[in-house]
Amino acid sequence: KNQVEQSPQSLIILEGKNCTLQCNYTVSPFSNLRWYKQDTGRGPVSLTIMTFSENTKSNGRYTATLDADTKQSSLHITASQLSDSASYICVVSDRGSTLGRLYFGRGTQLTVWP
Amino acid sequence: EADIYQTPRYLVIGTGKKITLECSQTMGHDKMYWYQQDPGMELHLIHYSYGVNSTEKGDLSSESTVSRIRTEHFPLTLESARPSHTSQYLCASSEMGALSHNTGELFFGEGSRLTVL
Repeated sequence: KNQVEQSPQSLIILEGKNCTLQCNYTVSPFSNLRWYKQDTGRGPVSLTIMTFSENTKSNGRYTATLDADTKQSSLHITASQLSDSASYICVVSDRGSTLGRLYFGRGTQLTVWP
Repeated sequence: EADIYQTPRYLVIGTGKKITLECSQTMGHDKMYWYQQDPGMELHLIHYSYGVNSTEKGDLSSESTVSRIRTEHFPLTLESARPSHTSQYLCASSEMGALSHNTGELFFGEGSRLTVL
């Protein structure tokens, strides 16, 4: 069964600290992995998209890594800011169907305290 | 900023009412989607479209219907709302990938929060 599991479910950190969010998936055949940021009451916004051949991609203070062999990804946030408080969603796309189906994780709820 | 818009942002209605959630995008994307999201849960695909006059049901069974008579417009309709329809509805669009099975970057609207009393 194709699944995307994220951990931790929630995380509280102090402003200025770093943190790492995890994503494990069983989706096969794999096409790409995306990380989205979703502020409360808003739609998700794309942070990174990585294909099979990419093992790291950065977007400002956000750095995503991908290990396609172990089917794991992480999102590292450096020098956190209050505005980083949001849900971070891992999404994996397969290439075994004409839809290019997307499998969504439940997200990690990050809270940054001053 | 993505150019995809949803209205209304919030809607509270009584049981049995007909409602339409609007979604429009100005990016010329062929693919459009409707997702349903409950608190703390993953997004579930309820409808998608590859282009004008193309609509398909998604993975999650839904009593809603959609139409796509213009590229930029993908409204969702509930003929008779029930409390079980209370949820957040997210519209999204993407370009066709280089291969038909590739989904390009997904752009989401701000969502429509529906509450049925």
